[in-house]
Amino acid sequence: GESVGLHLPTLSVQEGDNSIINCAYSNSASDYFIWYKQESGKGPQFIIDIRSNMDKRQGQRVTVLLNKTVKHLSLQIAATQPGDSAVYFCAVLDSGGGADGLTFGKGTHLIIQP
Amino acid sequence: DAGVTQSPTHLIKTRGQQVTLRCSPKSGHDTVSWYQQALGQGPQFIFQYYEEEERQRGNFPDRFSGHQFPNYSSELNVNALLLGDSALYLCASSQVKTGGATDTQYFGPGTRLTVL
Repeated sequence: GESVGLHLPTLSVQEGDNSIINCAYSNSASDYFIWYKQESGKGPQFIIDIRSNMDKRQGQRVTVLLNKTVKHLSLQIAATQPGDSAVYFCAVLDSGGGADGLTFGKGTHLIIQP
Repeated sequence: DAGVTQSPTHLIKTRGQQVTLRCSPKSGHDTVSWYQQALGQGPQFIFQYYEEEERQRGNFPDRFSGHQFPNYSSELNVNALLLGDSALYLCASSQVKTGGATDTQYFGPGTRLTVL
């Protein structure tokens, strides 16, 4: 089955700096990748997604990069703000044409230093 | 546009009891997935419901069961509760696309279950 790994459980950055959160996955058949943000006491909030036919996708202040060769995914947050403080999860979906249960990593806790 | 809603927000049960958690999907969504999130961990997939049937199941015992109603809302039932069932239970809704795969899953706020 799929496994999703984490590079750093905690990341501390200065307010205004850029943040990069990394994720690795195991199944080369995975074809859909999502980043979620989870604040304390809340459910995961969708940030951005990317499909396997792309290697980069940009949103508002966020960019997701996908490297299928090394099975690596990253989330870049530009000009990090205090409101970005949360746990960030990557989630992976395997293709199969059927039901879609996401496999999550353990999460990276992003801490913003003033 | 209402998002995914879950009830109750918190629940305390004792070992051996049974519990039912409820979820209403986001407007326009027809698929509901349930996840268990232990403290400090990522969510783990329990099962997914579409057209009132279980489509896929994760690595959870039969004590975990579910149901989907004609209005797409869903229930998660857990029997014979164990201490280890204490967790945040998350519901996510999505919409089936042409070809059968589902679109992005949007999560509710979760139900915090404590088993004593």
